Amino acid sequence: GAVVSQHPSRVICKSGTSVKIECRSLDFQATTMFWYRQFPKQSLMLMATSNEGSKATYEQGVEKDKFLINHASLTLSTLTVTSAHPEDSSFYICSALGDFGMNTEAFFGQGTRLTVV
Amino acid sequence: GQNIDQPTEMTATEGAIVQINCTYQTSGFNGLFWYQQHAGEAPTFLSYNVLDGLEEKGRFSSFLSRSKGYSYLLLKELQMKDSASYLCAVRRGGSYIPTFGRGTSLIVHP
Repeated sequence: GAVVSQHPSRVICKSGTSVKIECRSLDFQATTMFWYRQFPKQSLMLMATSNEGSKATYEQGVEKDKFLINHASLTLSTLTVTSAHPEDSSFYICSALGDFGMNTEAFFGQGTRLTVV
Repeated sequence: GQNIDQPTEMTATEGAIVQINCTYQTSGFNGLFWYQQHAGEAPTFLSYNVLDGLEEKGRFSSFLSRSKGYSYLLLKELQMKDSASYLCAVRRGGSYIPTFGRGTSLIVHP
């Protein structure tokens, strides 16, 4: 199956600093990538949809200036959490959409556990 | 909008069968997914149903009734490693983005 690599898997940062998370589709081109956030024992919540070469579409309630998304190529999207605070501590997961002939399917990265101290 | 409802937690015995239900309300239904998620890991795909009926894949089966807005995931011959959260996700027509339910935490005990 298709592989989506997310890096780093875990990161601890100080309050007020910024953290960048990368999401790469390794063996397919992804024109669209999705960023999710998941709090403990909660569902995956879609934060934004990222399209290659254009601005991301953010879900209601997600601050675009705080969660910067860049989708510069067909295989890479990045999420930068700016001026992180303890309440931003969460599990962040990306998903990349690939077109495989008859099927279009989204595959998840491994997730990034962010802890802000 | 979409409303997806599934039980919060279930327990079962190793070797047994468990059925996890999911009910949903959505406009323009275009498929239902089941994912397995172990703690601290990303979800992994289990099944996709877009037509009514039962899809069987080894120990796991998924059922869909579009008219009832209902699906279930059936796990047979439960193993300890099946202890995980099981997420039901629904996709609307015209969108590739599934909306996830809160997940059902399944605990398998000896």
